[in-house]
Amino acid sequence: DGGITQSPKYLFRKEGQNVTLSCEQNLNHDAMYWYRQDPGQGLRLIYYSQIVNDFQKGDIAEGYSVSREKKESFPLTVTSAQKNPTAFYLCASRTSRDTEAFFGQGTRLTVV
Amino acid sequence: GIQVEQSPPDLILQEGANSTLRCNFSDSVNNLQWFHQNPWGQLINLFYIPSGTKQNGRLSATTVATERYSLLYISSSQTTDSGVYFCAVERHTTTSGTYKYIFGTGTRLKVLA
Repeated sequence: DGGITQSPKYLFRKEGQNVTLSCEQNLNHDAMYWYRQDPGQGLRLIYYSQIVNDFQKGDIAEGYSVSREKKESFPLTVTSAQKNPTAFYLCASRTSRDTEAFFGQGTRLTVV
Repeated sequence: GIQVEQSPPDLILQEGANSTLRCNFSDSVNNLQWFHQNPWGQLINLFYIPSGTKQNGRLSATTVATERYSLLYISSSQTTDSGVYFCAVERHTTTSGTYKYIFGTGTRLKVLA
């Protein structure tokens, strides 16, 4: 089945460690996005990529890094520089502008 | 940047009741989507509706782009409708064609049996 797969579903890490969240899509979508959601809040854009080997910072990019080496993959690294990394992370993709976006099931990251 | 406000922030309904959720945005937009976030956090696509009216079963949506708002109607609500409803908008920038969705703060709906 076509879709967006985020892994793992739950992730626990010690403070000071970098961690990478996976996002893979087999929808042949050009654009991919990472959002962060804190409890009771809306979604805030971290990074987005419109095409392979290109990405732009969103509204809260500090402490995060991404890569887009393949069309189907857009991994997010939460670095030790991110001061409050505990959150729910959602990945999305769509064909291009002016098309519907679809989301993965999310990764809950807890840093202790 | 563009601001997206949703109202009401919280809503409690008895099963079978109807409701209207509103999304206001501060500038013209090129795209708009409605999502339902279920208790497990999954975002479910409801409508892709930059303008006009669409219906899907008990749900319908209307976007009046010229007046900068969109409405989501839920009729004969069921307990499974509980969750958070988000509206997301996109405004194309004039430089380099960058495009991204900005989310509202959501409406938290609880439907009681």
